[in-house]
Amino acid sequence: DAGVTQSPTHLIKTRGQQVTLRCSPKSGHDTVSWYQQALGQGPQFIFQYYEEEERQRGNFPDRFSGHQFPNYSSELNVNALLLGDSALYLCASSLAGPYGTDTQYFGPGTRLTVL
Amino acid sequence: GENVEQHPSTLSVQEGDSAVIKCTYSDSASNYFPWYKQELGKRPQLIIDIRSNVGEKKDQRIAVTLNKTAKHFSLHITETQPEDSAVYFCAASNPDSGYALNFGKGTSLLVTP
Repeated sequence: DAGVTQSPTHLIKTRGQQVTLRCSPKSGHDTVSWYQQALGQGPQFIFQYYEEEERQRGNFPDRFSGHQFPNYSSELNVNALLLGDSALYLCASSLAGPYGTDTQYFGPGTRLTVL
Repeated sequence: GENVEQHPSTLSVQEGDSAVIKCTYSDSASNYFPWYKQELGKRPQLIIDIRSNVGEKKDQRIAVTLNKTAKHFSLHITETQPEDSAVYFCAASNPDSGYALNFGKGTSLLVTP
């Protein structure tokens, strides 16, 4: 039973570029949430996808967008990269159920460095 | 929105001692409270969680308590071991926000032999 996977592991970009990060949820899960974790901080919620739609969004600008595919995998896109976008990007998967999508399992993350 | 505060930011204990980490939350609608352990360079791993319909939950050396009235919850680790050294994050969420996790800033726990 595969856990949550993310690709790539590391990425280096320059300011103004665009980046796409990928996530495959845990087997049987249908909901994907994305978080940004700056060094020394707790993860910050970016958005959540369920049934191929963005269901919830945190306090992030429109430069951050995403997509969920029919197989429940997801992408995070960031346009016009800023130095401050350098962080660990975490994907978490969960299963919608009677309690809603509460228990979330994290992937290993993608370390993005913007130069 | 939800605001989660976590204390202390760093905690150093001797092996075998107990460690307690405390969190407070602001949104009374929050009803799910997980704790994650994150080792250096690794993913956050869920170690225990509690829902608002219970006051305490235990799993071997780890326990979590919840006081809904006071809006605070705590992680208790007994008989600490060096491998417990990591950063611990508390979080709170509620169905109104699709269970988006709102994290505290983390507690760096060091267990010295």
